[in-house]
Order: sequence, then C-alpha cells, then structure tokens
Amino acid sequence: EPEVTQTPSHQVTQMGQEVILRCVPISNHLYFYWYRQILGQKVEFLVSFYNNEISEKSEIFDDQFSVERPDGSNFTLKIRSTKLEDSAMYFCAIKGGSQRGDTQYFGPGTRLTVL
Amino acid sequence: RKEVEQDPGPFNVPEGATVAFNCTYSNSASQSFFWYRQDCRKEPKLLMSVYSSGNEDGRFTAQLNRASQYISLLIRDSKLSDSATYLCVVWVKAAGNKLTFGGGTRVLVKP
Repeated sequence: EPEVTQTPSHQVTQMGQEVILRCVPISNHLYFYWYRQILGQKVEFLVSFYNNEISEKSEIFDDQFSVERPDGSNFTLKIRSTKLEDSAMYFCAIKGGSQRGDTQYFGPGTRLTVL
Repeated sequence: RKEVEQDPGPFNVPEGATVAFNCTYSNSASQSFFWYRQDCRKEPKLLMSVYSSGNEDGRFTAQLNRASQYISLLIRDSKLSDSATYLCVVWVKAAGNKLTFGGGTRVLVKP
C-alpha cells in the first residue's frame, strides 16, 4: 500500500488567516487528491491534481483554495483566508498502482481548527 | 437522492456474530466500488474493492448488485477490532478522478 504523510497533524488558526497543509508521498506519484471531512459528516472531494495541474475540482474548492507541488515532492493545499466552516479534517490521497478503477490511499490527515 | 446512501447504524454486534449491511448508489454509470474502514478521527483505509462477481477477503465478503444499484458488506466471526465506521465509496469514470463517499455505517462489536 503506497504511503503518504501529512503535516501538521493539527493546525489551529484564527479566522481570516492563511494556512498551508502539506502532503508528502513516500514514492513518486502523479495523481494527488484532497478531501475534507467536517466532524460528523461524510468525506467530500475537493480537488484532484495530475501532472502538476488541477484536473478536477468540486464546488467547495473556491477561490480561497489553491494547490501546488512546489518542489516535485510536497503537495500543498492553501486556504487563503480561513472561515469558521473550514474547520475539518483534510486528507491527502494518492492513486494506487495497479488496482482496477481508481483506488486511492489516504494520508493520516490534518485537523484544521478555525477560531 | 443522495449519490451514495448508507444506514448510519450503529449496528451492535456480539463478538463472533455475523453482520451485514448495504449501500445504495444513484449513478448507474458508477464503475468501481470500494469499502473503506474509518476509525474515529482517522483516515479512511481501504478494506476491499468490490468486483461484479463478488469477492471475499478473509472474514469479509463484498457483493455488487448492478441491477438494483447496491453493494453489501458481510463480516463473519466479528472481532472487537472490527468496531469502526465502514464507508461505501464509488467511482464514476465520467466524473473524473474523484471518489464519492457514503456517510458510513457504524459497527460496534461487543464482548
């Protein structure tokens, strides 16, 4: 199973501040995804990133959000001006190797708390 | 109608018993199906992919019914460690790369 790590594990920020969440796959991957899960709710897709470009994004992923792969290994999600409703677990995912369909493996997540 | 719908539970299961639950999906173009397991405040972990013919992995059996648009998961000989939320997940190729999650079914295995 491919491995991916995420930092920080927990981020507390004030409303209106910018946050950057990081995802580091252990080995090279081309497909990256961000999902979020508000406490008590289902996991929701935010954005997919392939070959250094956004390939798909959801309605949640508005102009406050951006993704990039700054150094070829880290994959980041930036929220420019956080809102209270951005409080959630944010999971990075990578696409599995030879699995049929679109098997994805999730990192341990970053818990974002906006005060 | 929700894209992926699950009974939230909880299903209270005596240790050693069998438990089964379903998930329904609304998009008939769904192509790939998965069960993930999620422990409290942890990431979803792939339990198994679900194939058309049904498949088994140890104590876990998954079935797919395309005609009725549901998938099922059966857990035999339940262990205390099986206590978790089980997430039904579907992938539609036409929708791009994203996975669509159900809200999860909570299972509590008790001694």
